[in-house]
Amino acid sequence: AQTVTQSQPEMSVQEAETVTLSCTYDTSESDYYLFWYKQPPSRQMILVIRQEAYKQQNATENRFSVNFQKAAKSFSLKISDSQLGDAAMYFCAYRSGGQGGSEKLVFGKGTKLTVNP
Amino acid sequence: DAGVIQSPRHEVTEMGQEVTLRCKPISGHDYLFWYRQTMMRGLELLIYFNNNVPIDDSGMPEDRFSAKMPNASFSTLKIQPSEPRDSAVYFCASSLRSGTGELFFGEGSRLTVL
Repeated sequence: AQTVTQSQPEMSVQEAETVTLSCTYDTSESDYYLFWYKQPPSRQMILVIRQEAYKQQNATENRFSVNFQKAAKSFSLKISDSQLGDAAMYFCAYRSGGQGGSEKLVFGKGTKLTVNP
Repeated sequence: DAGVIQSPRHEVTEMGQEVTLRCKPISGHDYLFWYRQTMMRGLELLIYFNNNVPIDDSGMPEDRFSAKMPNASFSTLKIQPSEPRDSAVYFCASSLRSGTGELFFGEGSRLTVL
């Protein structure tokens, strides 16, 4: 079974600075998706960024980017120019790809990000 | 689109009572998921459906939990009888098989069992 590990229960960053959240995963599959979700205090789970395993290029979405290292099974999230609104729980998630793969997302335990003014 | 709609947002009940949580997925989505979130265990998948058919219910804790999807626009998660350890936030999510793989989540139902 696939597992996702987030080794940093909590992180903090100064406003306007850059922070990197770590995620590693374990799988024997070659085709899969990886995601970062944000959960603010409102509880709503919001997709931040996604990466297809077959793509070598790292995904970027405005201030958010990932460092995807397939061989190392690592998928870190970098937040540049941190803003107060970035404060939230961040979850890394894995989903199988290809035909016959499970549609479910497997989540890590999350990293609580605090942004200091 | 209105997104995934869950009700109730909050539920407080006493041990032994029946609890029913409801979910309306995004129109056109063919997968529906129920997750439970607790501090101790994080986000756990309880069950998911494809075209209204349960595919994987291995995460359902025990027989007190049941889930149904009578049609493409409605699902329920029922707990009977409820226990204090069932207190958690329950999320419903939906997705499209031919889409980007992303799950779209509702706002969650916070259940407190006294």
